Amino acid sequence: NTVMTQSPTSMFTSVGDRVTMSCKASQNVGINVGWYQQKTGQSPKRLIYWASNRDTGVPDRFTGSGSGTDFTLTISNMQAEDPAIYYCLQHNSYPLTFGSGTKLEIK
Amino acid sequence: EVQLQESGPGLVKPSQSLSLTCSVTGYSITSNYWGWIRKFPGNKMEWMGYISYSGSTSYNPSLKSRISITRDTSKNQFFLQLNSVTTEDTATYYCARMGTRVSSFDYWGQGVMVTVSS
Repeated sequence: NTVMTQSPTSMFTSVGDRVTMSCKASQNVGINVGWYQQKTGQSPKRLIYWASNRDTGVPDRFTGSGSGTDFTLTISNMQAEDPAIYYCLQHNSYPLTFGSGTKLEIK
Repeated sequence: EVQLQESGPGLVKPSQSLSLTCSVTGYSITSNYWGWIRKFPGNKMEWMGYISYSGSTSYNPSLKSRISITRDTSKNQFFLQLNSVTTEDTATYYCARMGTRVSSFDYWGQGVMVTVSS
């Protein structure tokens, strides 16, 4: 199975900060990665598909990058509504696997 | 608009079967792929399996022979059955749509929390 290792596990940030989180795949997954935001009490919402494509309606402060084994989600200007758990998902091979999540909180 | 809604019992006894329904509106389940994902306490997410537009299925090997995903196209619903549950199956269960067999999940249901306890 492809293991997706996310880091950091959690982070505190301030409104206006630039935030970067990482997802590393245990094998080459090409660009077959999605990023999800899950706020408390809500279902996951896809932000990024095919590693770097923003879903419709997602603010442009969210940017996905990477290919192969190293992927990054960047929030360029942290907003008060962005605290959540962020997950990566690889859909290159079965079984599909998720990262363990990065919990993002406001200081 | 595509909408998915999970339903089913919130409490299941150990060794019994967990059965959930995903009702889809705004899109036919005879197109695309439809999956089940669960989130455990502690935030780990697990893909469980899918049923395709044609009715073919694929399951996570971690669930071995305990899982079955079926559908009723007349009602535009698909179903999850997980047999011989233990307390380790306590989780929030989500149904979701995939664009294709090799794409990620774009639409999700709101989730249903299932507790396995005697």
